[in-house]
Amino acid sequence: GAGVSQSPRYKVAKRGQDVALRCDPISGHVSLFWYQQALGQGPEFLTYFQNEAQLDKSGLPSDRFFAERPEGSVSTLKIQRTQQEDSAVYLCASAPGTGELFFGEGSRLTVL
Amino acid sequence: DQQVKQNSPSLSVQEGRISILNCDYTNSMFDYFLWYKKYPAEGPTFLISISSIKDKNEDGRFTVFLNKSAKHLSLHIVPSQPGDSAVYFCAASEFSGNTPLVFGKGTRLSVIA
Repeated sequence: GAGVSQSPRYKVAKRGQDVALRCDPISGHVSLFWYQQALGQGPEFLTYFQNEAQLDKSGLPSDRFFAERPEGSVSTLKIQRTQQEDSAVYLCASAPGTGELFFGEGSRLTVL
Repeated sequence: DQQVKQNSPSLSVQEGRISILNCDYTNSMFDYFLWYKKYPAEGPTFLISISSIKDKNEDGRFTVFLNKSAKHLSLHIVPSQPGDSAVYFCAASEFSGNTPLVFGKGTRLSVIA
């Protein structure tokens, strides 16, 4: 498809489980961003890649969160030992370098 | 401390009338501003943007106004249509968009037929 693709769309995890969320950006977009959106809030920045380089990870809330983009295309956000406060929609966006971001539909994570 | 603030959580407007959504920011280094629209269960979609060298940008029914001295921007939708009902997010960045966007909490617009 032409847009940003995220999987899974919905994930239910038991507290303590590890989860992995995948993002396929728009072809040719060098920049890739991860955001976390809690209920009733705006998207909050987590981390940012330019090609395979992770340029900013200042938004990752703890060392349980890890993101990678090894070949400069697909990215994975991994959350280890999930907690209830990790429940949110995780949004991936890619950018061509003109300022606006193109978002995927998000992965909704529910931690029980 | 929120750098981008949307102080109205919701707004109701009659179809055909003007919708005005407001946004304030605190970081004087922001120089690029965007509005995104979000429907339920979908990701935000880009609507319109404005650079700090301008004070107005128009695209069809959508106009964004920027008042740098007041650190305030607004999105005008005229005429409003029922399909405009969505959550609208204001976002800002430094260095002409080459840094991560900072988002407000959003305003839910309901356009009543």
